[in-house]
Amino acid sequence: ETGVTQTPRHLVMGMTNKKSLKCEQHLGHNAMYWYKQSAKKPLELMFVYSLEERVENNSVPSRFSPECPNSSHLFLHLHTLQPEDSALYLCASSQDWGQGEGYTFGSGTRLTVV
Amino acid sequence: SQQGEEDPQALSIQEGENATMNCSYKTSINNLQWYRQNSGRGLVHLILIRSNEREKHSGRLRVTLDTSKKSSSLLITASRAADTASYFCATALTGGGNKLTFGTGTQLKVEL
Repeated sequence: ETGVTQTPRHLVMGMTNKKSLKCEQHLGHNAMYWYKQSAKKPLELMFVYSLEERVENNSVPSRFSPECPNSSHLFLHLHTLQPEDSALYLCASSQDWGQGEGYTFGSGTRLTVV
Repeated sequence: SQQGEEDPQALSIQEGENATMNCSYKTSINNLQWYRQNSGRGLVHLILIRSNEREKHSGRLRVTLDTSKKSSSLLITASRAADTASYFCATALTGGGNKLTFGTGTQLKVEL
């Protein structure tokens, strides 16, 4: 375990379903991130939260809705997804948003949309 | 092409050999980082080199940064089968907060 825990590890959902991905860290980090990793493509930054405030939204479709209720938890709510949304969704955290430093990643949620 | 591009895309070597991966980027950076990813898992941070640094070591890893050429290299010495993974470079742009932009990675296979 890296200190960043993602659940579930695997998720299969239909296009009309609503589901949520959960990320939890107890590293005392103030910044949290959602990335999408699709085959043969670079990691795509989706959202950034710093001190529970969203500071970056990378033109992500509204069918993805993030939530950061506190500095330790980050959610990604999913609804009416498309098959092309199937990917590995990675959560990461870092000490702060403003400083250049490394991320700690979770193991990811492998999402399959059918 | 994207901000960070790794070269080669795939590399296969024998255990004990050295592995070198390269990364090129396009715009001014605050720092450059290297990560490893085992199949289908999360990324693990390996090393960070700041824009005012030229070389950094961590165990069997050696990273260089040439800001004039906008390139970096990652050298893994005396490779082991356990080093088999994908390796990614990521750049933090100047004035871009801590947002990292990743390349597509180099797939390294170390054979016994």
